[in-house]
Amino acid sequence: ETGVTQSPTHLIKTRGQQVTLRCSSQSGHNTVSWYQQALGQGPQFIFQYYREEENGRGNFPPRFSGLQFPNYSSELNVNALELDDSALYLCASSLSGQGTHEQYFGPGTRLTVT
Amino acid sequence: GIQVEQSPPDLILQEGANSTLRCNFSDSVNNLQWFHQNPWGQLINLFYIPSGTKQNGRLSATTVATERYSLLYISSSQTTDSGVYFCAAHWTGGGNKLTFGTGTQLKVEL
Repeated sequence: ETGVTQSPTHLIKTRGQQVTLRCSSQSGHNTVSWYQQALGQGPQFIFQYYREEENGRGNFPPRFSGLQFPNYSSELNVNALELDDSALYLCASSLSGQGTHEQYFGPGTRLTVT
Repeated sequence: GIQVEQSPPDLILQEGANSTLRCNFSDSVNNLQWFHQNPWGQLINLFYIPSGTKQNGRLSATTVATERYSLLYISSSQTTDSGVYFCAAHWTGGGNKLTFGTGTQLKVEL
């Protein structure tokens, strides 16, 4: 069984640039959720994708967008980067429609915006 | 939305000691998870525990959903237990998203 993977591991961008982060879900899972974790805080929910559509969104502006592909992998795109976007971005996969909601996390992408 | 609070915020233990971490949540939850975040940021699943008690080696957890709290017990702590422990709740009205607590930072010393 393959776990959740994310790429890249680390990324440094300049304010105003755009970034794309990638996530491959655990085998057998059909749902991907994205979280932002600022230093010293708990992860905050950005959005979730199920059946290639956004299925819930947290309190994040529209410049945070995403995609889910037929193989259930997902991308997180952030436009017009701001310094406050510097954080650890975590992807989680789960299996919807089976009653349980247990989520499994990838190792994260650490984004630094300068 | 739901509020999730954890206590204590920081904990220092001597190796071999036992500890209890607490998670309170403000509303009915579908399910609750406990995680250990290692120094590299990886969130490791410890327990998926909507109710009742589970044990896994030196760790055990109890959730009392009717009273809106969960406890994580660590026995005979080891230095490798150090890190941040998070509880996260699936709120009944919040779909499939997890709402995280603020975490307990645990340091186990020799």
